Amino acid sequence: AQSVTQLGSHVSVSEGALVLLRCNYSSSVPPYLFWYVQYPNQGLQLLLKYTSAATLVKGINGFEAEFKKSETSFHLTKPSAHMSDAAEYFCAVTPFGNEKLTFGTGTRLTIIP
Amino acid sequence: EAEVAQSPRYKITEKSQAVAFWCDPISGHATLYWYRQILGQGPELLVQFQDESVVDDSQLPKDRFSAERLKGVDSTLKIQPAELGDSAMYLCASSLATREWSYEQYFGPGTRLTVT
Repeated sequence: AQSVTQLGSHVSVSEGALVLLRCNYSSSVPPYLFWYVQYPNQGLQLLLKYTSAATLVKGINGFEAEFKKSETSFHLTKPSAHMSDAAEYFCAVTPFGNEKLTFGTGTRLTIIP
Repeated sequence: EAEVAQSPRYKITEKSQAVAFWCDPISGHATLYWYRQILGQGPELLVQFQDESVVDDSQLPKDRFSAERLKGVDSTLKIQPAELGDSAMYLCASSLATREWSYEQYFGPGTRLTVT
């Protein structure tokens, strides 16, 4: 079975500061990992994905994530926060193929002007 | 850019009434998912279709929920009768993924259901 733990339900950073959102996963097989962003009353937009190629994955809007098997982590980072980054972020895992996504509980990111 | 379409965007219904949601996936996407997202939580799968066949409906409350994808394209999710606890965001997603190959899931804007 797969599971995802997102540490910190709320994270606040100042505009221009580093963004770090944490995600740890549990999987019985090599996983596919995803980060999605959700703005209020909207669907989920894919930020980036890990599918067993490069361990450092670059996504949209300046975000990137590093897959660390030894730490079972897939943390999301952005060097410099922008006001438009304020949203809910979800980490998700799937074992392979067309299996369902298992989501974490989400982290709400607030940007302080 | 192709998108997953959902309607309605918002629905308010009274307890014990019937309600239906519609999803039109990205053209060519054989896999379609319905997720339910309760406020403050991550989405959870209700039902998954591969073409017109149900692949996974283990978390679908079958006494009141039903889903169909008759021609393997668009899909309808129905709740009858609605209960207060059904208030949530219902998200549809589609993917090119097959059992052998994984592709990302693309999500629609969701339907926000409020049961009063």
